[in-house]
Amino acid sequence: QVQLVQSGAEVKTPGSSVKVSCQASGGSLKSHAITWVRQAPGQGFQWMGRIMPMLGVTNYAQNFQDRLTITADKSTGTAYMELRSLRSEDTAIYFCARGYDYGPYWGQGTLVTVSS
Amino acid sequence: DVVMTQTPLSLSVTPGQSASISCKSSQSLMHSDGKTYLYWYLQKAGQPPQLLIYEVSKRFSGVSERFSGSGSGTDFTLTISRVEAEDVGVYYCMESIQLPPAWTFGQGTKVEIK
Repeated sequence: QVQLVQSGAEVKTPGSSVKVSCQASGGSLKSHAITWVRQAPGQGFQWMGRIMPMLGVTNYAQNFQDRLTITADKSTGTAYMELRSLRSEDTAIYFCARGYDYGPYWGQGTLVTVSS
Repeated sequence: DVVMTQTPLSLSVTPGQSASISCKSSQSLMHSDGKTYLYWYLQKAGQPPQLLIYEVSKRFSGVSERFSGSGSGTDFTLTISRVEAEDVGVYYCMESIQLPPAWTFGQGTKVEIK
């Protein structure tokens, strides 16, 4: 059974950065894309970007192009999402999902709170 | 950008009855590769979304046969037969055909049990 385990909740101040990890257990990242999606409190989902670790290729949503970096460490089966210049509107649950066109497997989510 | 519109936004269902959720996309989700990039998820309280249906009508592994998907082009439906208490949550349709790449979700349909 594929499991994606994400790092714990974070509290950040405006202008700072956050880096969330997503580790695959019971499987490998190598041949699968990892996609990051966020959900603001009581809101719907927003696609942020994805990485294909085997190819080292990333795609980013235009909204996040200049402050988002997604990376992957194939040796540990871990993907990372770093969001910079945080603002209060970035308060959300951040999910990783394994998949390119859709996500059959999701991490448990990481709550990132941005507050002064 | 593709817009996904779900109706209704909430649904109260008697156990044992059926429920249907509609999802309309602003453009066709059928690709030249023959696939239709339409998916259905259920998000239960405090949990990540769980995949129910992929490519319109294919049930994901372990998903009850009570869940079925249908439709084509821009109009899609998720049907839940013989609704059970464990089916409560928010149902989302999602597309992934557009370029530049993105996953676009509908607003969600909250299903509760009467």
